[in-house]
Amino acid sequence: QKEVEQNSGPLSVPEGAIASLNCTYSDRGSQSFFWYRQYSGKSPELIMFIYSNGDKEDGRFTAQLNKASQYVSLLIRDSQPSDSATYLCARTGGNEKLTFGTGTRLTIIP
Amino acid sequence: EPEVTQTPSHQVTQMGQEVILRCVPISNHLYFYWYRQILGQKVEFLVSFYNNEISEKSEIFDDQFSVERPDGSNFTLKIRSTKLEDSAMYFCASREASGANVLTFGAGSRLTVL
Repeated sequence: QKEVEQNSGPLSVPEGAIASLNCTYSDRGSQSFFWYRQYSGKSPELIMFIYSNGDKEDGRFTAQLNKASQYVSLLIRDSQPSDSATYLCARTGGNEKLTFGTGTRLTIIP
Repeated sequence: EPEVTQTPSHQVTQMGQEVILRCVPISNHLYFYWYRQILGQKVEFLVSFYNNEISEKSEIFDDQFSVERPDGSNFTLKIRSTKLEDSAMYFCASREASGANVLTFGAGSRLTVL
């Protein structure tokens, strides 16, 4: 099974602080990793993807990948109330389907 | 910005009835997908479609399900005889043929089976 594991939360973070979301995966053949944000009742929307070990930054978001530890994370700096959502981690290997984790519910407290 | 369009946004049906969910993928995308999400659960893969045929399907995608690309723009999911447990949000997604495996999702079709 090519599983993706996430802590379901909820994770509560004060406004302006850093939110840290974590994800582990079981298949060492996984090549690319994705973070999607999903607001309640809405569809997943891509935040960013990463496929090389290390950090990748995009605005307030930083994705971190450690293939040796089979671990990927998302940091959200200067958290805003609008960041309150469920964050979905997903993986794929080549042209395979995207496999999602269960998601972590994040609440930013004003 | 290009988007994936899904219709209907919400459909209510009686158990045993056939349902067709429609999707218009982004025009230059070549891979198409259906995912579903039961309320409170994770987004689950159903089927992928490329070059006019199914490229991969999950255990969920049994004989009650079928997909079709009837013309150059639409991509449909048919459920032949709906069950209560088919109640879910169904998401269509598409991606380009090359580059990162980035899926763009439609807004979803909520199916309620009574």
